[in-house]
Amino acid sequence: DIVLTQSPATLSLSPGERATLSCRASQNIYDLLAWYQLRPGQAPRLLIYDASNRATAIPARFSGSGSGTDFTLTIDSLEPDDFAVYFCQQRSNWPRTFGPGTKVDIK
Amino acid sequence: EMQLLESGGGLVQPGGSLRLSCAASGFTFDTYAMNWVRQVPGKGLEFVSSININGVTTFYSPSVRGRFTISRDNSQNTVYLQMNSLRDEDAALYYCAKDLFATGGSYFDLWGQGTLVTVSS
Repeated sequence: DIVLTQSPATLSLSPGERATLSCRASQNIYDLLAWYQLRPGQAPRLLIYDASNRATAIPARFSGSGSGTDFTLTIDSLEPDDFAVYFCQQRSNWPRTFGPGTKVDIK
Repeated sequence: EMQLLESGGGLVQPGGSLRLSCAASGFTFDTYAMNWVRQVPGKGLEFVSSININGVTTFYSPSVRGRFTISRDNSQNTVYLQMNSLRDEDAALYYCAKDLFATGGSYFDLWGQGTLVTVSS
C-alpha cells in the first residue's frame, strides 16, 4: 500500500496567516492526489484534486502543488472556518489511502 | 441541492451482519461511481469500497474483501454496503461518498454525514 505521511501533525496559526501543509507519498503517485477538509460534526469536503485543481466552489485561497512524492496544500489568509483537520488521499494505486491528517488550530 | 443520506448503522455483535444504505439526491446518480469510506472516531479515514456506474466493477480494501459487498440500485438512486462477519476493527463511522468520475475510487466530491457502526458483544 502507498503510505501518505502528513506534516506537521498540528499547525497553530492565527486568522489571516498563511498555512502550509505537507503530504509525502511512499512512492511516486504522479499528480494523483487530493486534499480534504474535515470540520467537527460535518461531512468531509473535497478541496483539491489531481494535486492542483480546485474542486467546485472552493475559494481561491486554497491552492495545491506538487507531484511525484511531495505535495503541498496552501491556505492563504486563514479564515475562522478554515480551522479544521486536513487529509490528503492518493488514487494512484489500490487500495486508495489517506494520510493521517494535519490539524490546523487557532493560536 | 446534492445530498447523500446514509442509514443502517447500529450495534452488532462480532460475527454479525449489517446492511448500510445511502440515498442520493440532487444529481444524476447513474453517471457517477459511488464509494464507502470509514473513520474510526478520532482517527483517520480509510477507503472501504467503490462501485462504478453500472455496478459491474467493484473494488474493496483488503481489510474487508470477502466480507463486505457493495451494490447499487440506479432506479432507486441508492448504494448499499452489505457487511458480514463483522469484527471489532470494523467499528467506525461509515461515509457514503460520490465519486468525481464514473469509474470509481478516484476522488470523493460529495459526502454524507455518516452512519455509525458499533461492533461489541
